[in-house]
Amino acid sequence: DVKVTQSSRYLVKRTGEKVFLECVQDMDHENMFWYRQDPGLGLRLIYFSYDVKMKEKGDIPEGYSVSREKKERFSLILESASTNQTSMYLCASSLRQGFSGANVLTFGAGSRLTVL
Amino acid sequence: RKEVEQDPGPFNVPEGATVAFNCTYSNSASQSFFWYRQDCRKEPKLLMSVYSSGNEDGRFTAQLNRASQYISLLIRDSKLSDSATYLCVVNMARNTGGFKTIFGAGTRLFVKA
Repeated sequence: DVKVTQSSRYLVKRTGEKVFLECVQDMDHENMFWYRQDPGLGLRLIYFSYDVKMKEKGDIPEGYSVSREKKERFSLILESASTNQTSMYLCASSLRQGFSGANVLTFGAGSRLTVL
Repeated sequence: RKEVEQDPGPFNVPEGATVAFNCTYSNSASQSFFWYRQDCRKEPKLLMSVYSSGNEDGRFTAQLNRASQYISLLIRDSKLSDSATYLCVVNMARNTGGFKTIFGAGTRLFVKA
């Protein structure tokens, strides 16, 4: 089974702090994604990456950046955390693009971030 | 209008009941469709893909109506363990290549003894 591992399950940070959320997948997937999930809003895409060193903005990229230096690792960075970034952050990966049937997402367990 | 819409519920049903969830999507260019299940405080996991011909997996049946842009999930003989949030998911092609995956906000199901 594909495993997607998020380094931190729970984080508490203060406003203005820099936050790193790490995600690693172990099945050589090309695509990696960062979502946030909030009650009533569902999952919203922050950023995604189809290849090493490649990134594209999702629907809500403001206040976030990402890094993909290696195929298996996709990091989400909050340069200056704010209270409205308190949320559940979910990393996901999928095999490849080009064939939609293959674009099934496997999620990590999530990182619950609280910004005070 | 949201790209993928679901009735948020909650649906409260007794064990053994049959329950149906509906989902509509706005983009007629959508190409593939899925139902994911998310347990409380857990990550979403793929439940089943949805095909135009309809597909069944045990007690679960998924249907797709492209003309009406409508997806359904039917659960027969509900079990307590079916209690979860069910997410409707649609993949649509992007103008720049690749696919965009859109999640519905989910429908909550509670199965009671």
